[in-house]
Amino acid sequence: DAMVIQNPRYQVTQFGKPVTLSCSQTLNHNVMYWYQQKSSQAPKLLFHYYDKDFNNEADTPDNFQSRRPNTSFCFLDIRSPGLGDAAMYLCATRGDGGAWQETQYFGPGTRLLVL
Amino acid sequence: SQQGEEDPQALSIQEGENATMNCSYKTSINNLQWYRQNSGRGLVHLILIRSNEREKHSGRLRVTLDTSKKSSSLLITASRAADTASYFCATAYRDDKIIFGKGTRLHILP
Repeated sequence: DAMVIQNPRYQVTQFGKPVTLSCSQTLNHNVMYWYQQKSSQAPKLLFHYYDKDFNNEADTPDNFQSRRPNTSFCFLDIRSPGLGDAAMYLCATRGDGGAWQETQYFGPGTRLLVL
Repeated sequence: SQQGEEDPQALSIQEGENATMNCSYKTSINNLQWYRQNSGRGLVHLILIRSNEREKHSGRLRVTLDTSKKSSSLLITASRAADTASYFCATAYRDDKIIFGKGTRLHILP
């Protein structure tokens, strides 16, 4: 059963053309995360939501925005993609047991290519 | 930065040997998690250890946590070719952040 779904799995966009990546979950988890992972590097946290409370990492570029219209869906908007934004984008969720005991559930990721 | 450090960055061992990877972090955590990632694939959750736990086992995996030293280790016993992958620790904080370490690339030699 799919729990964290990311669409599309592969996304090709043009330099400077806005692109939106989507994530949905069937777990009813309160917390959702977006990570960026470049080749041979660790996933880098971009931002996370606790319910509708948005938390942006200090070093996340302004070019990256996010929306969470409801519990199930979360979107990553890249307003003007640059070549350096080509990466795998990972969505994850975490349940309500508290950060001390709950693991994350990851989606399969969306690989973004910028031409 | 809250990002942890892992060592070694890369590790090559013979099949059947044990592999040990270490993770250090900087500030107090709620839990620490270990993940595996095969090349070009998604993250697979391996094990979670809470801040009040010192050791945990799961199959061939053994994880320790020393909060006084702010460090954790992952031991894979009797390694197999299929264990070849990158391994990441991820530290969870009270503000719901979960930050990944830089990872260890493990290569099991036949």
